[in-house]
Amino acid sequence: GQNIDQPTEMTATEGAIVQINCTYQTSGFNGLFWYQQHAGEAPTFLSYNVLDGLEEKGRFSSFLSRSKGYSYLLLKELQMKDSASYLCAVMDSNYQLIWGAGTKLIIKP
Amino acid sequence: DTAVSQTPKYLVTQMGNDKSIKCEQNLGHDTMYWYKQDSKKFLKIMFSYNNKELIINETVPNRFSPKSPDKAHLNLHINSLELGDSAVYFCASSQDLDQRGAPYNEQFFGPGTRLTVL
Repeated sequence: GQNIDQPTEMTATEGAIVQINCTYQTSGFNGLFWYQQHAGEAPTFLSYNVLDGLEEKGRFSSFLSRSKGYSYLLLKELQMKDSASYLCAVMDSNYQLIWGAGTKLIIKP
Repeated sequence: DTAVSQTPKYLVTQMGNDKSIKCEQNLGHDTMYWYKQDSKKFLKIMFSYNNKELIINETVPNRFSPKSPDKAHLNLHINSLELGDSAVYFCASSQDLDQRGAPYNEQFFGPGTRLTVL
């Protein structure tokens, strides 16, 4: 079966750095997405990785290792507005998105 | 202009009723989706649809049916509503290919419809 694993909840301090991990087992791989979802709102796109390595976009970076079936989302200089759920999703061999359950990130002052 | 819109935003109804949720995208995308997000916040795909193919998640009851009058619209019709149908339903759309012609599935989500079945 296809499986995406990520921690259910994480807590971090404003101004700090946090890393949210995602491991996956899917039938084929055509890229990995990270989405952010604030409570009561729709998910919004953060990043896309298809090659190994780190993609940096401002305070957010996303890393991929295809051989390990592993990705992480790194958030720097945390702000209170970063409190949200972060969803990992993998595009499988049929180009369908397989979604993780999301990691709820709580930022404390 | 709103890229993906859904109506209504809130829907409260009685068990056994039939209801529809409308979705429209003005992005010119090829594929549209319906997702269900329950109280545990798990995002579950229900349908994906383009002008070639309807893909149905086999776990979705046949009380749920998508209806697409044209490429920009994908409505969700639900018959005989049950208590367990209470959830937030998201519509989304995506372009199948990126600028280089490679498969790409960044999805743009509508604001969601919170359905409560009493």
